[in-house]
Amino acid sequence: SQQGEEDPQALSIQEGENATMNCSYKTSINNLQWYRQNSGRGLVHLILIRSNEREKHSGRLRVTLDTSKKSSSLLITASRAADTASYFCATDADSWGKLQFGAGTQVVVTP
Amino acid sequence: DVKVTQSSRYLVKRTGEKVFLECVQDMDHENMFWYRQDPGLGLRLIYFSYDVKMKEKGDIPEGYSVSREKKERFSLILESASTNQTSMYLCASRPTSGETQYFGPGTRLLVL
Repeated sequence: SQQGEEDPQALSIQEGENATMNCSYKTSINNLQWYRQNSGRGLVHLILIRSNEREKHSGRLRVTLDTSKKSSSLLITASRAADTASYFCATDADSWGKLQFGAGTQVVVTP
Repeated sequence: DVKVTQSSRYLVKRTGEKVFLECVQDMDHENMFWYRQDPGLGLRLIYFSYDVKMKEKGDIPEGYSVSREKKERFSLILESASTNQTSMYLCASRPTSGETQYFGPGTRLLVL
């Protein structure tokens, strides 16, 4: 069953704007990861935040984690057309390293 | 860079056919995974393997089997393909010491 649920399902913004998407999950986790998928391709790992971390940055990406609310957000600042993709959150909650993915947020950035 | 390759990008099969999807990784990773991706459902884990000849069921193993005879190769088998197995199939690998998964480009399977 899905662990994470992303919100919104779809997001359309213009270049230069910020994009924010949220992820909620149900059980306690070891870490939460964000992946990007360009149309019809495989997933690429973007950033990982551990359960004892509250915020993490990587380039134009900012991830927050609130374990009390079981939620995370991904912020992409100064969006570019190349950021057009689907974004998935995934939770790692067991010792095998299995990931539970949400349904994803489809982001379209128009020039 | 880690490279995960999948044998086909697109595949068309008939109902009842036996289908093999192959995945190869070149980074000596112990763990390998097979997912299917359907619109609105995200990725769902079919099977995973944490070592050669070892396999564990994921969330939706029904209708599928797997084989891992060599460390670098993880095969997904549809014993008798059905139309509801039309989907995008994604393979991933991960070292036991790591936390992130590395994905192949996916195989889009159409069962007629």
